[in-house]
Amino acid sequence: DAKTTQPTSMDCAEGRAANLPCNHSTISGNEYVYWYRQIHSQGPQYIIHGLKNNETNEMASLIITEDRKSSTLILPHATLRDTAVYYCIVYSLGKSTFGDGTTLTVKP
Amino acid sequence: NAGVTQTPKFQVLKTGQSMTLQCAQDMNHEYMSWYRQDPGMGLRLIHYSVGAGITDQGEVPNGYNVSRSTTEDFPLRLLSAAPSQTSVYFCASSQGQGLSYEQYFGPGTRLTVT
Repeated sequence: DAKTTQPTSMDCAEGRAANLPCNHSTISGNEYVYWYRQIHSQGPQYIIHGLKNNETNEMASLIITEDRKSSTLILPHATLRDTAVYYCIVYSLGKSTFGDGTTLTVKP
Repeated sequence: NAGVTQTPKFQVLKTGQSMTLQCAQDMNHEYMSWYRQDPGMGLRLIHYSVGAGITDQGEVPNGYNVSRSTTEDFPLRLLSAAPSQTSVYFCASSQGQGLSYEQYFGPGTRLTVT
């Protein structure tokens, strides 16, 4: 199963873009990259996913490198409410592996 | 739609007791999963199911059993509770292969084993 590696923590100034990196060097061709976030002790919340093309939705953008070995989640204008733990996971056939995620702290 | 529901929200067990954590979804999702989250750590997959009658083990299956007799329900059974099973348990569901794999998570069950 593909594993992901993320920095333990990051800070970002309110209103600035937050760029969260993820390494998934062992990903295989049919595995998707998914991003979730968890605020306090709530259940994780879906943000965005992709296979090989860059994706954008109302919450974020996802940039996947051409070799698919890494990706970056971009929150274009971070707010204090974006403070959370962000998880990058690789998903295939009902099975996903969460790492320990990146704790993003957005500061005023 | 209620989404993914979990009961109970909180539970305290004594070592050696058994219990079942309930999970139900009303979105007709094929895939369902159970995760546990220990303090300060990420989620670890316990068991998952890709459809009624089909289950498989995740990363940390020991001490837990599951069954999937209907599409809606995916209960998790603790056979003989141990303090190491103190954790927050999350159930999740997603549509299934070839469709969206976005997982919807329940609110969690906070379990303490003394």
